[in-house]
Amino acid sequence: SQQGEEDPQALSIQEGENATMNCSYKTSINNLQWYRQNSGRGLVHLILIRSNEREKHSGRLRVTLDTSKKSSSLLITASRAADTASYFCATDSSARQLTFGSGTQLTVLP
Amino acid sequence: DVKVTQSSRYLVKRTGEKVFLECVQDMDHENMFWYRQDPGLGLRLIYFSYDVKMKEKGDIPEGYSVSREKKERFSLILESASTNQTSMYLCASRASGWGSYEQYFGPGTRLTVT
Repeated sequence: SQQGEEDPQALSIQEGENATMNCSYKTSINNLQWYRQNSGRGLVHLILIRSNEREKHSGRLRVTLDTSKKSSSLLITASRAADTASYFCATDSSARQLTFGSGTQLTVLP
Repeated sequence: DVKVTQSSRYLVKRTGEKVFLECVQDMDHENMFWYRQDPGLGLRLIYFSYDVKMKEKGDIPEGYSVSREKKERFSLILESASTNQTSMYLCASRASGWGSYEQYFGPGTRLTVT
């Protein structure tokens, strides 16, 4: 079952601009994670935010979590062409498996 | 660094063939997962295993089976491949224990069934 749903499905921006992706989910969670996938490759873990956290930073990444609205956002600041990829949110409800959304395809134009 | 490898990057099989997809991880992780990824549907969990010889069904187990005889290896088996199993297959592993939440993915196997 799809737990996380990303919005928008596709996003195209210019290099140097910020990119914001949103994720909504349906049930209570232990944590929420964001992953990145370069075209035709496996996923790479970017950042994790626990259910008792509201905001987290890692380099140019900023993640927020609003458990009352069951939503999260991923902000990539000062985007680069190399940030072009698909980004997925994944919710951890059971501590054994993750449920992934359908992803946002980000294109950063040079 | 954790490394998860998959036996093939690309695979072409015929309808009705038995297909084995192999996944190996080198970090002694207890948990291993098989997903399939289709456009617009994201990743869907087929099966996972939290210990040797243990397996649990995910969201879409029909038409698949798995085997975990050794801790580092998790195999996905398509007993009789069908065209609707054409997809990207991703394997992942994860440690157990508090704080070990992220999954490490292999590069994927793009399977085409003709």
